[in-house]
Amino acid sequence: GESVGLHLPTLSVQEGDNSIINCAYSNSASDYFIWYKQESGKGPQFIIDIRSNMDKRQGQRVTVLLNKTVKHLSLQIAATQPGDSAVYFCAENIRNTGKLIFGQGTTLQVKP
Amino acid sequence: DTAVSQTPKYLVTQMGNDKSIKCEQNLGHDTMYWYKQDSKKFLKIMFSYNNKELIINETVPNRFSPKSPDKAHLNLHINSLELGDSAVYFCASSQSPDRMHFGPGTRLTVL
Repeated sequence: GESVGLHLPTLSVQEGDNSIINCAYSNSASDYFIWYKQESGKGPQFIIDIRSNMDKRQGQRVTVLLNKTVKHLSLQIAATQPGDSAVYFCAENIRNTGKLIFGQGTTLQVKP
Repeated sequence: DTAVSQTPKYLVTQMGNDKSIKCEQNLGHDTMYWYKQDSKKFLKIMFSYNNKELIINETVPNRFSPKSPDKAHLNLHINSLELGDSAVYFCASSQSPDRMHFGPGTRLTVL
């Protein structure tokens, strides 16, 4: 079925530590994955994406890893800062449907 | 120079009323969407339009009627509002399902 889920609803990290947010998806027809960040009172904001023909992609302080064998996606944030505190969503695009399906979201709390 | 804008930002209304939310994008994208975010932050697609044509309608009640007068606008009209319609509604646009750009959201509260 179509479902994208996250292993933990809340992640609390110390400022300066690395954060890892995980996501499981179930649709093997998904060919594109995105991570979004949503700050309080705002709309989701694009962070990084990855296509199914890749297993890793790096951005500024963020890395997305894709393991298609176990249908797992992760977002790594290096040197987490207070400004990283937000809800993070993974989303999958199911090929040829035009639909982006969102996971439940993980709240990242950064402790000073 | 806002990319995707929505009005109003907050909407408080009584059950049974009819209300509209407007959305505009200045990114030149062909596709626009409406998403509903519930109290648990779950984001669910409602509709998508491509060049004013309805592409996706995700089993949304008939009380919800999207209208796209042109490809830069996608408005959402809701008839006979119910308590369960209370949520945050996000408009978004993209050139494809990739890299969707979201608006700031409209918080609808039905009393």
